[in-house]
Amino acid sequence: EAGVVQSPRYKIIEKKQPVAFWCNPISGHNTLYWYLQNLGQGPELLIRYENEEAVDDSQLPKDRFSAERLKGVDSTLKIQPAELGDSAVYLCASSLDRAPGETQYFGPGTRLLVL
Amino acid sequence: SQKIEQNSEALNIQEGKTATLTCNYTNYSPAYLQWYRQDPGRGPVFLLLIRENEKEKRKERLKVTFDTTLKQSLFHITASQPADSATYLCALGDQTGANNLFFGTGTRLTVIP
Repeated sequence: EAGVVQSPRYKIIEKKQPVAFWCNPISGHNTLYWYLQNLGQGPELLIRYENEEAVDDSQLPKDRFSAERLKGVDSTLKIQPAELGDSAVYLCASSLDRAPGETQYFGPGTRLLVL
Repeated sequence: SQKIEQNSEALNIQEGKTATLTCNYTNYSPAYLQWYRQDPGRGPVFLLLIRENEKEKRKERLKVTFDTTLKQSLFHITASQPADSATYLCALGDQTGANNLFFGTGTRLTVIP
């Protein structure tokens, strides 16, 4: 069974440019998460989707970040405009549902470098 | 807000010994706690889950304990192997009934042959 797929794996852009990350979760997983991981730190939750509904986006910087999960499957995370401080790894994860303790399966992440 | 501390940034041990990693937390009462492994350039991989009413869980060479009084979890790898070298993350599960996780900064374990 395929795991969580993310693309691109690496992205280098100049500041003020827009960037988008794509995530395809494990088939049948209703819950999808986007995390941000800075170097030497643990992942931090940005947004959680239950099917196509964003149910927890309290940590998403809404002035420049946006996300969508059309049809409750694939998801896209966008930054516009990007800032130097956005350089990090963006991880997508999915779980079967939102039940507490349900295993989260992570993709390999997209490593973003903003110059 | 919650604070999660993992005992050290890096831990070096000799092959065959038991590695013990510590996760301490404050200002929080997690309903459960999970441990993940992360290799360079890859996403975290789930290892073990332990709930607040459980004291200990085992899986093959792995053992995790959870002390809600001390607000601490210990993660043990027995008979360690060089292939166990990785970063290990503890994650607290929230009490809201959702599946949100709050991760520690991780401990980078190196097992020396």
